[in-house]
Amino acid sequence: DGGITQSPKYLFRKEGQNVTLSCEQNLNHDAMYWYRQDPGQGLRLIYYSQIVNDFQKGDIAEGYSVSREKKESFPLTVTSAQKNPTAFYLCASSRWGNTEAFFGQGTRLTVV
Amino acid sequence: QKEVEQDPGPLSVPEGAIVSLNCTYSNSAFQYFMWYRQYSRKGPELLMYTYSSGNKEDGRFTAQVDKSSKYISLFIRDSQPSDSATYLCAMSAGQNSGGSNYKLTFGKGTLLTVNP
Repeated sequence: DGGITQSPKYLFRKEGQNVTLSCEQNLNHDAMYWYRQDPGQGLRLIYYSQIVNDFQKGDIAEGYSVSREKKESFPLTVTSAQKNPTAFYLCASSRWGNTEAFFGQGTRLTVV
Repeated sequence: QKEVEQDPGPLSVPEGAIVSLNCTYSNSAFQYFMWYRQYSRKGPELLMYTYSSGNKEDGRFTAQVDKSSKYISLFIRDSQPSDSATYLCAMSAGQNSGGSNYKLTFGKGTLLTVNP
């Protein structure tokens, strides 16, 4: 089945630790995105990548880092510099020149 | 003024009702408009995708875009309990605007409950 796979579904992090969220797609999409969703806040863009080995900051990139070494993969690292990392993280992808984005099922990150 | 405004609800309707969900926006460069449905603790699912002004129908769902008023709507006919979810509008300026042209700007979502 084609789609976007995010793992893990739930993740717990101790304060001061870095954690990496996985996002893999087999849709052959060029563009990939990371969003953060908080209650009452809607979706906010963290980072996006339109092509391998290139990515741009979104609206709330501070405390996050990404890489795009393969077309299929766009992992997100939540660093210790992110002051309020507890949230629902969503990965999405779209075809080149097309804003129609498809989402994974999300990773819920909780700081303990 | 926020770029995209969406009434968060909650909206509660009886089964079979016609539901109207709406978003307004301020950026006149937006020309691609989407509606997503999101069930609790799940990722958003793309429901409707429209370009520029006009109507688009898909089964019980109709999306309307009025660019002159900067207003978009999603209508759900014969609503079902399975339609109970949060509905998110999203929009983008598209590929001709350069820079962050692929960026989607989302409304905060409207929580809909359809009661049997």
